[in-house]
Amino acid sequence: DTAVSQTPKYLVTQMGNDKSIKCEQNLGHDTMYWYKQDSKKFLKIMFSYNNKELIINETVPNRFSPKSPDKAHLNLHINSLELGDSAVYFCASSRVGTAANYGYTFGSGTRLTVV
Amino acid sequence: ILNVEQSPQSLHVQEGDSTNFTCSFPSSNFYALHWYRWETAKSPEALFVMTLNGDEKKKGRISATLNTKEGYSYLYIKGSQPEDSATYLCAFTNNAGNMLTFGGGTRLMVKP
Repeated sequence: DTAVSQTPKYLVTQMGNDKSIKCEQNLGHDTMYWYKQDSKKFLKIMFSYNNKELIINETVPNRFSPKSPDKAHLNLHINSLELGDSAVYFCASSRVGTAANYGYTFGSGTRLTVV
Repeated sequence: ILNVEQSPQSLHVQEGDSTNFTCSFPSSNFYALHWYRWETAKSPEALFVMTLNGDEKKKGRISATLNTKEGYSYLYIKGSQPEDSATYLCAFTNNAGNMLTFGGGTRLMVKP
């Protein structure tokens, strides 16, 4: 049973398209995150949701919109895709207030390629 | 902006060699330092969480130390094996909240 699952694993799409990446966790965690692995391989925080509410929104273009229908899901919708959006996107989760002590559980990543 | 740096960026060693790499982080307002092991095409997996200056953690042949006063942590691997090949990430947090700031990782390749 996968704890944090992301779909799709790979996504190739054309510039200008709108696409979504889904993330689901079955761990009963309250907090979910989206990280982007940039060109230098750093994991950069994009968003954090706690019980369906946005708590962190780093400097991310507003073409990126997270949606959390319930605390087990945090989907990432991207409008008007650009070449520079090509990256690997990671979803993660943690129990509220415990990430500092227990860390995250990560999904396996979604490799987005914009052509 | 929190600066978390790891060195070296990559490392090639022979099977059986022992190795270590460094994570440096801001020494003020320290709360916790995490190490993750990240194999290609898989999810990062938690190795250690350290919170106290002088902490030492060990899991099999892998161990880590923490110096919060000077802002660094070392990860050691004794007698490296090919299956140790992975990227090792450290992550820092300065509060009890939820956000971890990651370093760029050290990519370790162990040759048989």
